[in-house]
Amino acid sequence: DAEITQSPRHKITETGRQVTLACHQTWNHNNMFWYRQDLGHGLRLIHYSYGVQDTNKGEVSDGYSVSRSNTEDLPLTLESAASSQTSVYFCASSGGSDGYTQYFGPGTRLTVL
Amino acid sequence: AQKVTQAQTEISVVEKEDVTLDCVYETRDTTYYLFWYKQPPSGELVFLIRRNSFDEQNEISGRYSWNFQKSTSSFNFTITASQVVDSAVYFCALSATDSWGKLQFGAGTQVVVTP
Repeated sequence: DAEITQSPRHKITETGRQVTLACHQTWNHNNMFWYRQDLGHGLRLIHYSYGVQDTNKGEVSDGYSVSRSNTEDLPLTLESAASSQTSVYFCASSGGSDGYTQYFGPGTRLTVL
Repeated sequence: AQKVTQAQTEISVVEKEDVTLDCVYETRDTTYYLFWYKQPPSGELVFLIRRNSFDEQNEISGRYSWNFQKSTSSFNFTITASQVVDSAVYFCALSATDSWGKLQFGAGTQVVVTP
């Protein structure tokens, strides 16, 4: 079955370190998204991609970057982790005949100390 | 700009009671999509339903039903005869054609169903 996976599922890091969160989907979807979830804010869009070599900034992109070198993967990098980036991160993908419905990965809980 | 408001922060019910979750949205687009997602205590986000702006037909699926009213910009969700397994956070989301594919989420409503 097609799926979307994220790794690691839990990560603790220190302020100032570079961190990369992985997202891999086997849906063969063109569109991939990264969101962060914080209490009281729902999910907010960080970055998104509509295809290979395409990346775009979302609502809360400062301090984050992504790259899309193939269809399956969209890694999210925190260049210099800050305590304000402690959050749960979700990756999602959409495409095919139902291009608007996003399917989510299990999430990564990141703690920045 | 799009906005989704879920005014109810938490709803507590006893098993078998019905529960209705409110969702009000704002968009200037005439073509858009509305969604409901469920987030159980395990944390994953589960897609429940999608409606496009041209389809105001309400739907019932098992114990779930949805009421979409463009005139009031609302897309409400009802769980009939709630069960403990319905305990979760429910998110309403909007995707307009000018922001193709990007979802604007509401803050979510926590539903607690007690036996």
